[in-house]
Amino acid sequence: NAGVTQTPKFQVLKTGQSMTLQCAQDMNHNSMYWYRQDPGMGLRLIYYSASEGTTDKGEVPNGYNVSRLNKREFSLRLESAAPSQTSVYFCASTRTGQAYEQYFGPGTRLTVT
Amino acid sequence: AQSVAQPEDQVNVAEGNPLTVKCTYSVSGNPYLFWYVQYPNRGLQFLLKYITGDNLVKGSYGFEAEFNKSQTSFHLKKPSALVSDSALYFCAVRAPYSSASKIIFGSGTRLSIRP
Repeated sequence: NAGVTQTPKFQVLKTGQSMTLQCAQDMNHNSMYWYRQDPGMGLRLIYYSASEGTTDKGEVPNGYNVSRLNKREFSLRLESAAPSQTSVYFCASTRTGQAYEQYFGPGTRLTVT
Repeated sequence: AQSVAQPEDQVNVAEGNPLTVKCTYSVSGNPYLFWYVQYPNRGLQFLLKYITGDNLVKGSYGFEAEFNKSQTSFHLKKPSALVSDSALYFCAVRAPYSSASKIIFGSGTRLSIRP
């Protein structure tokens, strides 16, 4: 049981380049999330997927797109990277319902130059 | 509006002493409250949660948290700190009957335990 996995672990992009961050979970969770973590700002929600086939914007969606490929996989795409998107990105998943905790992946450290 | 505050950016404690990491929240209704820990270069790990019932909640690694409704607080505590407890701690709150997006995280408190 690997939990939540993310690839890649590190990435350096030039401004304007695109890339996709991959996330997969093997816990049969319905809900999946993408966060970014910046110093002193905690976690900010980019997009989430309450269940397979649905996606919704979070607090900071601009510059990103997502795909819920199936129940296991939830990818985050940067179409044209900007230096402001330099951050650590975390994927998380949880069971349906407000009372359940989230499980996080190890993160992707992205630098945009 | 729903919010959570961790008033201390950093907490320093000597090994063996008790520790407290503070969290206050604002939410309509009875909240669901969570604590997570983040070790360097790792994702967040769940420590404990309060859903309902006993105000004192016990979690992983000897941590506990006390829910205080009148003070809208959910402080994380441990009777005797270990150097290995040094990490970044996040409080999170979720309102009842809220959508999947409505999980709000605090800005984090860095806990440093000196030998």
